[in-house]
Amino acid sequence: AQKVTQAQTEISVVEKEDVTLDCVYETRDTTYYLFWYKQPPSGELVFLIRRNSFDEQNEISGRYSWNFQKSTSSFNFTITASQVVDSAVYFCALSGSGNTGKLIFGQGTTLQVKP
Amino acid sequence: DAGVTQSPTHLIKTRGQQVTLRCSPKSGHDTVSWYQQALGQGPQFIFQYYEEEERQRGNFPDRFSGHQFPNYSSELNVNALLLGDSALYLCASSLGSNSGPQPQHFGDGTRLSIL
Repeated sequence: AQKVTQAQTEISVVEKEDVTLDCVYETRDTTYYLFWYKQPPSGELVFLIRRNSFDEQNEISGRYSWNFQKSTSSFNFTITASQVVDSAVYFCALSGSGNTGKLIFGQGTTLQVKP
Repeated sequence: DAGVTQSPTHLIKTRGQQVTLRCSPKSGHDTVSWYQQALGQGPQFIFQYYEEEERQRGNFPDRFSGHQFPNYSSELNVNALLLGDSALYLCASSLGSNSGPQPQHFGDGTRLSIL
């Protein structure tokens, strides 16, 4: 069975602090894909990143960075120098082998960035 | 370039009724997936349509059905509505690919309330 666990339900930080959102996944597939999505209050899920299981290089995009560690089945997301606009619910998701792209989502982490 | 559009935005129904939700995919996308998101939870995969056929289905009863039209737009139908069907229904579109699941682009969702 495939499963995604985001143990942090809510995180509150003060603007300019760094924050890391944890994601742990379970799958028996050897080929799989991991995603992060952001859901602001408007409801639309915004795609942030896709990573396949063969690419363990960490990735940085502006203030965002992702740490993929296959050995611990984790795909953590760090926001550096957080801003109030980063406040949202963040979802980690898993898609197994095959091209259908069915996403298995975690429960989400609500991030509140206070000014 | 229009993104994924869903209609209606909000809908109120009573138990036992039937509902149809509509989705137009992002321009150039040929695959449509539907998700149900209960309050405070991650989205749950309902099914996916590609080339006007249901390609994969999640763990939802037959009361949930769908359709994809030649222009790639899609409908989600739910019969015999239950109180537990109250949720945000998200439509996502993507481009079919042989190089793994592509990022899905989500609409703003339809908020369905059952009284």
